[in-house]
Amino acid sequence: AQSVTQLDSQVPVFEEAPVELRCNYSSSVSVYLFWYVQYPNQGLQLLLKYLSGSTLVKGINGFEAEFNKSQTSFHLRKPSVHISDTAEYFCAVSEPQAAGNKLTFGGGTRVLVKP
Amino acid sequence: GAVVSQHPSWVICKSGTSVKIECRSLDFQATTMFWYRQFPKQSLMLMATSNEGSKATYEQGVEKDKFLINHASLTLSTLTVTSAHPEDSSFYICSADPGQGVSTGELFFGEGSRLTVL
Repeated sequence: AQSVTQLDSQVPVFEEAPVELRCNYSSSVSVYLFWYVQYPNQGLQLLLKYLSGSTLVKGINGFEAEFNKSQTSFHLRKPSVHISDTAEYFCAVSEPQAAGNKLTFGGGTRVLVKP
Repeated sequence: GAVVSQHPSWVICKSGTSVKIECRSLDFQATTMFWYRQFPKQSLMLMATSNEGSKATYEQGVEKDKFLINHASLTLSTLTVTSAHPEDSSFYICSADPGQGVSTGELFFGEGSRLTVL
């Protein structure tokens, strides 16, 4: 069974400051990794994903994440946040060998950008 | 492209009534759709996997008679909360897999449906 741990439940950050959201996973097989963003009362929007290849993945809205297999981590970063980045962020994994794309989500990290 | 629409976006009902939530993939076919439940300030919990033309697969602890799932076509899955009670109040989100059964690494999510049972 796979699991995802997001180490920070809340991250307050000032506007234009950098932010890093931590994500660690456990799985006995290789996985696909994802970061999703959820704005209030909305569904999830994909920020970026790692399937294979380069371990540094660039996504939308200036976000990037780095896959570290030895540390089983997939931390999300943005060098300079905006007020509009205030949202809930979810890390998720799926197993490519399994049929379909069944996702396992982390607990979420709430980012609050302060002016 | 790859838009998933949920309806209704919010619904209020009386205890004991049933509520149906629709999940539609608007510009692609989805043999598999997933239904999640999200409590306030918590993560998404997978309830069931909906497969077109076959019975849904429910996660452990989810009552299949309580949460009826129908995936009658490649673009529509419905979740019916039967005999709803206040504890069923939650945010329900669906996602659709465009991969035709092959893992492509991406799901597309609906906007969510907020159910409040009085």
